[in-house]
Amino acid sequence: EAGVAQSPRYKIIEKRQSVAFWCNPISGHATLYWYQQILGQGPKLLIQFQNNGVVDDSQLPKDRFSAERLKGVDSTLKIQPAKLEDSAVYLCASSLLRNQPQHFGDGTRLSIL
Amino acid sequence: KQEVTQIPAALSVPEGENLVLNCSFTDSAIYNLQWFRQDPGKGLTSLLLIQSSQREQTSGRLNASLDKSSGRSTLYIAASQPGDSATYLCAVRRNTGFQKLVFGTGTRLLVSP
Repeated sequence: EAGVAQSPRYKIIEKRQSVAFWCNPISGHATLYWYQQILGQGPKLLIQFQNNGVVDDSQLPKDRFSAERLKGVDSTLKIQPAKLEDSAVYLCASSLLRNQPQHFGDGTRLSIL
Repeated sequence: KQEVTQIPAALSVPEGENLVLNCSFTDSAIYNLQWFRQDPGKGLTSLLLIQSSQREQTSGRLNASLDKSSGRSTLYIAASQPGDSATYLCAVRRNTGFQKLVFGTGTRLLVSP
């Protein structure tokens, strides 16, 4: 079975610019997660989708971050405008159902100059 | 608010040693606890999942234990190998609310030949 696909793998932008990340979950997985992992820390959940509806976005900085999951499959995460503290790895994960084991992509490493 | 702590932050051992990684959590109302492995530049790979009603899980050279009442879990790695070098993360899932995973900061393990 194909894993969770993420692109791009790396992105370098200047502060105040915008950036978008893309995630394609494992086929048939209803639940999709976006995590932020700052260097030296564990991943922090930003947003969780169940099909194309948001289940939990309590830790998403909504003034600059947005995410969507159209048609309940692929998802995009956007940052606009980016700040220096947004430098991190953004991980996407998916699971068959909400409490099932999560499968992670390799992440997008974002550097803000 | 659930907080997860991992000790030590880094560990360096010679090949063949048995070792123990520690994870502690502040809220014992958990649904399950999971140990992950993260290689540099990669996503997370699930190693072991312990349900709240279980005391331990084993997979090959790995054994994870759970003491929910004291808020502790250990990951035991027998006969370590250089290929075990990675960052190990534990994560707990609450048994209420959105049941999101809360991660520790990880233990970076280096096994020398």
